[in-house]
Amino acid sequence: KQEVTQIPAALSVPEGENLVLNCSFTDSAIYNLQWFRQDPGKGLTSLLLIQSSQREQTSGRLNASLDKSSGRSTLYIAASQPGDSATYLCAVRRSNYQLIWGAGTKLIIKP
Amino acid sequence: GAGVSQSPSNKVTEKGKDVELRCDPISGHTALYWYRQRLGQGLEFLIYFQGNSAPDKSGLPSDRFSAERTGESVSTLTIQRTQQEDSAVYLCASSPGTGSDTQYFGPGTRLTVL
Repeated sequence: KQEVTQIPAALSVPEGENLVLNCSFTDSAIYNLQWFRQDPGKGLTSLLLIQSSQREQTSGRLNASLDKSSGRSTLYIAASQPGDSATYLCAVRRSNYQLIWGAGTKLIIKP
Repeated sequence: GAGVSQSPSNKVTEKGKDVELRCDPISGHTALYWYRQRLGQGLEFLIYFQGNSAPDKSGLPSDRFSAERTGESVSTLTIQRTQQEDSAVYLCASSPGTGSDTQYFGPGTRLTVL
């Protein structure tokens, strides 16, 4: 059974720091992995999607990596800003359409 | 353009009552998902609709939960005889369809069962 774990559960850092969020999964037979951002009352927004054949994806200050063999993904945020404060969720897709979700990391960027 | 909308945004009900949650997907999206998110936890898959195919109901936690979708438009999630453990945020997402991995989420309905 696929399980997705995100560490840490919460993180608070000063503005401007680079930071890494971690996601691990137990079954390496995944179709892809996605990182989402969740803002209160606003639903989820997809940030990055990494196909199983890819190693990383970049969008602006965000970089996500994928190591299937070790069952790990990281989301790197460069030069963090207060507007980055949100909960970040990772989800892995199995061969069907279902996503298995981590519990998220709540990130607070202090001005 | 309009995104996914859900109503109501908040619902407080008494234990034992029935509730109905609504989702309006993005126009033209053939795939629609319902998820449940309990406090501090990840999303749990509930049900998936794809076009006119039979829905995948494998995530529904009990027979008190049911969902319908009218064609490729609005969907309703119904919870009968609500229990306190049903308290959660219920999220709906739509997708252009098979072959697309991108899901567009609504803002969710926060359900509180007293």
